Amino acid sequence: QSALTQPPSASGSPGQSVTISCTGTSSDVGGYNYVSWYQQHPGKAPKLMIYEVSKRPSGVPDRFSGSKSGNTASLTVSGLQAEDEADYYCSSYAGSNNFVFGTGTKVTVL
Amino acid sequence: EVQLVQSGAEVKKPGESLRISCKGSGYSFTNYWISWVRQMPGKGLEWMGTIDPSDSYTSYSPSFQGHVTISADKSISTAYLQWSSLKASDTAKYYCARHMIVIGMDVWGQGTTVTVSS
Repeated sequence: QSALTQPPSASGSPGQSVTISCTGTSSDVGGYNYVSWYQQHPGKAPKLMIYEVSKRPSGVPDRFSGSKSGNTASLTVSGLQAEDEADYYCSSYAGSNNFVFGTGTKVTVL
Repeated sequence: EVQLVQSGAEVKKPGESLRISCKGSGYSFTNYWISWVRQMPGKGLEWMGTIDPSDSYTSYSPSFQGHVTISADKSISTAYLQWSSLKASDTAKYYCARHMIVIGMDVWGQGTTVTVSS
């Protein structure tokens, strides 16, 4: 299975919004509503930000939202803050207890 | 507090064997899968495989099938990732994560750095 495709980078000024795409196939993103998103700061372990396409775990700010259309999922960060600067990865269930990550997107707060 | 604590950094030579561990606490270990994730230096996350600690059923990424073995000992709430013959290309940081299809990987270990060099 191939990695899901994400843009290498995205940026925005404080207070603005940034949206990251995650493109897969009908065998993963398009076939299941089990897309999750992870935030990773340098030298730290990843942190779950969104699961089941659009649900937020307890403690994750509502500035983070997720959606999906066809084979593409998206993560939107609204009201960008300095601490949102990090790498973001999507992940999808791919059937038969297999999973796949995205290529990762570096978000820069200008 | 729910947490996964991984074993410490390792430095090995090519051809050597290695087993790293991931101990869960603060929750029922057999109620959640454990996944292993590789991150090579400066690179992205790669799903390696998943184990159900309740019955040790495992699934592997095709990219890692045959090169690593995932196991678990539910009596001590610990999952393992092992290699029988390391390569320099196995140099990476390895994370374990509590995982279910619906909720994703919601709790992560701190990571174990493995360095393979002659």
